[in-house]
Amino acid sequence: AQTVTQSQPEMSVQEAETVTLSCTYDTSESDYYLFWYKQPPSRQMILVIRQEAYKQQNATENRFSVNFQKAAKSFSLKISDSQLGDAAMYFCAYRSAGTGNQFYFGTGTSLTVIP
Amino acid sequence: DGGITQSPKYLFRKEGQNVTLSCEQNLNHDAMYWYRQDPGQGLRLIYYSQIVNDFQKGDIAEGYSVSREKKESFPLTVTSAQKNPTAFYLCASSTRGHYSNQPQHFGDGTRLSIL
Repeated sequence: AQTVTQSQPEMSVQEAETVTLSCTYDTSESDYYLFWYKQPPSRQMILVIRQEAYKQQNATENRFSVNFQKAAKSFSLKISDSQLGDAAMYFCAYRSAGTGNQFYFGTGTSLTVIP
Repeated sequence: DGGITQSPKYLFRKEGQNVTLSCEQNLNHDAMYWYRQDPGQGLRLIYYSQIVNDFQKGDIAEGYSVSREKKESFPLTVTSAQKNPTAFYLCASSTRGHYSNQPQHFGDGTRLSIL
């Protein structure tokens, strides 16, 4: 089974600053999909951004962008101009293109935004 | 609007009692999943189903049971054999098949506590 590792249990950032959350994964597959989810205190899981492994261009969604390094099996999330509403748990997730049905999640990073 | 509905939002279980958590989706997704989340922890897979009348155990299936009689519904029963059921339970669904880049969609969760 694939494994997803988030090595930073907790991170903090000053409001309006930039923060990067790390995610690495272990796989022997060449095709797969990667996702970042946000879980605020309400516990709702919200999709932040997705990346297809076959795309070299890094995905961007407004203030959120990724740094996808396929050879290094790394998928970090950069949050620019951090806002108080960004405070949440962030989970990295992997989906195989082959089986298509199993998702693998990291253990999460708790982000605190300091006013 | 399409989505996933979990009910109830809060549930209390007495010793020796079985309780059932409801999960309904109208996204026309084939695959459905149940996750358990303990405080400050990541998501652990309990059961998943790829099609009607078929389901597979996840990493922590002991003490839980599921059924998938309809595409839209995937109820989870927490049996008396589950000695530590207090947790937050998330239901999710997704498309099925090879090369599907779609993320999982999540319900708002059920918080289960022991009386």
